[in-house]
Amino acid sequence: GAVVSQHPSWVICKSGTSVKIECRSLDFQATTMFWYRQFPKQSLMLMATSNEGSKATYEQGVEKDKFLINHASLTLSTLTVTSAHPEDSSFYICSARNDPDTQYFGPGTRLTVL
Amino acid sequence: AQSVTQLDSHVSVSEGTPVLLRCNYSSSYSPSLFWYVQHPNKGLQLLLKYTSAATLVKGINGFEAEFKKSETSFHLTKPSAHMSDAAEYSCSISNFGNEKLTFGTGTRLTIIP
Repeated sequence: GAVVSQHPSWVICKSGTSVKIECRSLDFQATTMFWYRQFPKQSLMLMATSNEGSKATYEQGVEKDKFLINHASLTLSTLTVTSAHPEDSSFYICSARNDPDTQYFGPGTRLTVL
Repeated sequence: AQSVTQLDSHVSVSEGTPVLLRCNYSSSYSPSLFWYVQHPNKGLQLLLKYTSAATLVKGINGFEAEFKKSETSFHLTKPSAHMSDAAEYSCSISNFGNEKLTFGTGTRLTIIP
């Protein structure tokens, strides 16, 4: 139980284009989903908290107009990286919460911007 | 503010010997502490968590961790390493009532046959 999937697992795009990453909770409903980013040799860093049916809450330093988050249902949240640049290349991981203390993580999406 | 320090970026042990992965934390409140494991091409999997109940927490795959407030530590141990334990291990913290997780930089565990 408590499986979270992400799609795609990796993506390569040209600078200036937009990329959408999907995060799904497969066997439970998640009122809250989280988006993280991990650069090489660094820790996982929370980007934003997404609540179903409401606006996402972004961490300090994360541009909300660049990283668009939509949490339209209890099993799906999407992250769109708009006008991507090479410095946005990273490993993006989502998680979903089904109890107050535990987050279940997806396998991650490797984004490379050329 | 909360933070987690994983003192070792890489640990190597022989199969059948004990495993110790270190984690120290800093928190202004009563923390919840977690250990996650990540195998290649898989998502982070919760190994165990401490949420203000028993200080010795047993997790999956024979792992356990002890919350020591006096030492601000939450080290992960296993009596006997198995080849399948080779993976990346991450310690994380959240403050009571605050759902945000803060992660350490991770420890890569290598098992020597």
